Amino acid sequence: QKEVEQNSGPLSVPEGAIASLNCTYSDRGSQSFFWYRQYSGKSPELIMFIYSNGDKEDGRFTAQLNKASQYVSLLIRDSQPSDSATYLCAVTSTGDKIIFGKGTRLHILP
Amino acid sequence: GAVVSQHPSRVICKSGTSVKIECRSLDFQATTMFWYRQFPKQSLMLMATSNEGSKATYEQGVEKDKFLINHASLTLSTLTVTSAHPEDSSFYICSASIAGVHADTQYFGPGTRLTVL
Repeated sequence: QKEVEQNSGPLSVPEGAIASLNCTYSDRGSQSFFWYRQYSGKSPELIMFIYSNGDKEDGRFTAQLNKASQYVSLLIRDSQPSDSATYLCAVTSTGDKIIFGKGTRLHILP
Repeated sequence: GAVVSQHPSRVICKSGTSVKIECRSLDFQATTMFWYRQFPKQSLMLMATSNEGSKATYEQGVEKDKFLINHASLTLSTLTVTSAHPEDSSFYICSASIAGVHADTQYFGPGTRLTVL
């Protein structure tokens, strides 16, 4: 069974600090990796996707992928209270079903 | 780009009635649309995957006769909850993907909150 694991949290981070969210996956053949943000009562919103090993930066967000360790992370720099949400890691392979983690609740402390 | 809409955003109905939820891709043609359900404080649960013009593929445990999915065009998919009961009350979310290089990227609609009395 293909799995995506995330720490459920809550992860509390002071405002202005770096929030680090982690995710591991079981299928070594996975090719596509996504981070979604979900505010309470709302639907998920795509933040980033990454396909290659290494870092991918977009504004305050950096996704990091290490396929050898089957590990993907999301860094949020200069954390803001508006970043408080549940972050979902998702993994898939071409033509295969996307697998979502259960999400990590992030709480930015003002 | 990649905007997905859902209608209605919220619906309250009596037990035994049927409810139709629409999912539209507004600025792209969706090769595939997905329907999810999410109960409070729980993770997303994929219900079914649909491709335009073909029958939906349902996940194990999801009753296809109860949750009717029609994907009539590349921009519209509908989910009909037939003979709804209180246990069907949930947050229903659709998503869509675009043909091409990043075909496995899913863009979510805003969701429909269903309450069955």
